[in-house]
Amino acid sequence: DGGITQSPKYLFRKEGQNVTLSCEQNLNHDAMYWYRQDPGQGLRLIYYSQIVNDFQKGDIAEGYSVSREKKESFPLTVTSAQKNPTAFYLCASYGTPNTGELFFGEGSRLTVL
Amino acid sequence: ILNVEQSPQSLHVQEGDSTNFTCSFPSSNFYALHWYRWETAKSPEALFVMTLNGDEKKKGRISATLNTKEGYSYLYIKGSQPEDSATYLCALYFGNEKLTFGTGTRLTIIP
Repeated sequence: DGGITQSPKYLFRKEGQNVTLSCEQNLNHDAMYWYRQDPGQGLRLIYYSQIVNDFQKGDIAEGYSVSREKKESFPLTVTSAQKNPTAFYLCASYGTPNTGELFFGEGSRLTVL
Repeated sequence: ILNVEQSPQSLHVQEGDSTNFTCSFPSSNFYALHWYRWETAKSPEALFVMTLNGDEKKKGRISATLNTKEGYSYLYIKGSQPEDSATYLCALYFGNEKLTFGTGTRLTIIP
């Protein structure tokens, strides 16, 4: 089935460590996104990529990095510079042109110990 | 950053009752308003994409309306069922391939 796969679902990390969250899609979508969810807040955009080898910062990019070497893959690295990394992370891809409907993965929960 | 507000934050509804909640935003030019349903441990899924003032969309027992002039959209659920329990997200699309999300309404259906 076509969709978006995120891994791992749960991840624990010690302070000072970088960690990479995987996002893979087989929907043949050009654009991909990373959102962060915190309690009581809406989804906030971290980074997005509209095409291979290109990406843009979202509203809360500090402490994160991404790459887009393949159309299917858009991994997110949470670096040690991210001051409050414990959160739920959602990956999405862009579906229908002109309306912007997003297709989402099931998310990854990162906990920093 | 544009504020997209949803109310209430959470609500509990008896099975069989109907309910509705609101997405409000400053009136502005945007391409579309989205509603997503996000069930626990699943991916958010698009319910409706609405583009025109006065738009009304329906999917089974769920419907939505859009008033761009006054800056709100309503989501209605008729005859709530346990499977309607989810967080409902509203988002605005401005045509720049980015969505701005509200904080969501968490709906719990009480059997």
